Amino acid sequence: ILNVEQSPQSLHVQEGDSTNFTCSFPSSNFYALHWYRWETAKSPEALFVMTLNGDEKKKGRISATLNTKEGYSYLYIKGSQPEDSATYLCAFMSYGGSQGNLIFGKGTKLSVKP
Amino acid sequence: DSGVTQTPKHLITATGQRVTLRCSPRSGDLSVYWYQQSLDQGLQFLIQYYNGEERAKGNILERFSAQQFPDLHSELNLSSLELGDSALYFCASSVLAGGPLEQFFGPGTRLTVL
Repeated sequence: ILNVEQSPQSLHVQEGDSTNFTCSFPSSNFYALHWYRWETAKSPEALFVMTLNGDEKKKGRISATLNTKEGYSYLYIKGSQPEDSATYLCAFMSYGGSQGNLIFGKGTKLSVKP
Repeated sequence: DSGVTQTPKHLITATGQRVTLRCSPRSGDLSVYWYQQSLDQGLQFLIQYYNGEERAKGNILERFSAQQFPDLHSELNLSSLELGDSALYFCASSVLAGGPLEQFFGPGTRLTVL
């Protein structure tokens, strides 16, 4: 059974703080790692799709890194704003018969206080 | 707005009943995925269709079935409903079946079984 773990489960920070969270995934049969942002009452929205070991992606104040050999990815938010409050999901995609479908972690819920 | 539409938004029904959830993918997307989000669970992959054919199956119960029609919209049928089937059901779409492509999520259908 493929397992994707995210930590912490929730995080409360002040506006302006920088923060990061972790996604752990199986290091074998790696194909891709996705990060999604899920705001309350909306649908998950893709942030990054990462495929290569050592990959770093950036979108504004949000960036992510990938280590496929040890099976983890970090998501960083620099200078958190209240509008960053959301649940951040990572999802693992493996080679093989299930290729194309994502195995999601339970997410890290971020609350940014003004 | 991801371009993926789902109807209905909310559905309340009784145990033992059958319901149909509908999804229209983004224009040009051939692949449709169904996910279930239950309380305290991450997004669980149910099933994937590509251009009308079943492509991959996840944790989908035998009481559930799906299909993708020639116009590429998809329906998820849930029968003999139980209280535990209450969940948020998401549909997502992508251009192709495999590959590290981001998936675009619809707004979800919240199913409540009483």
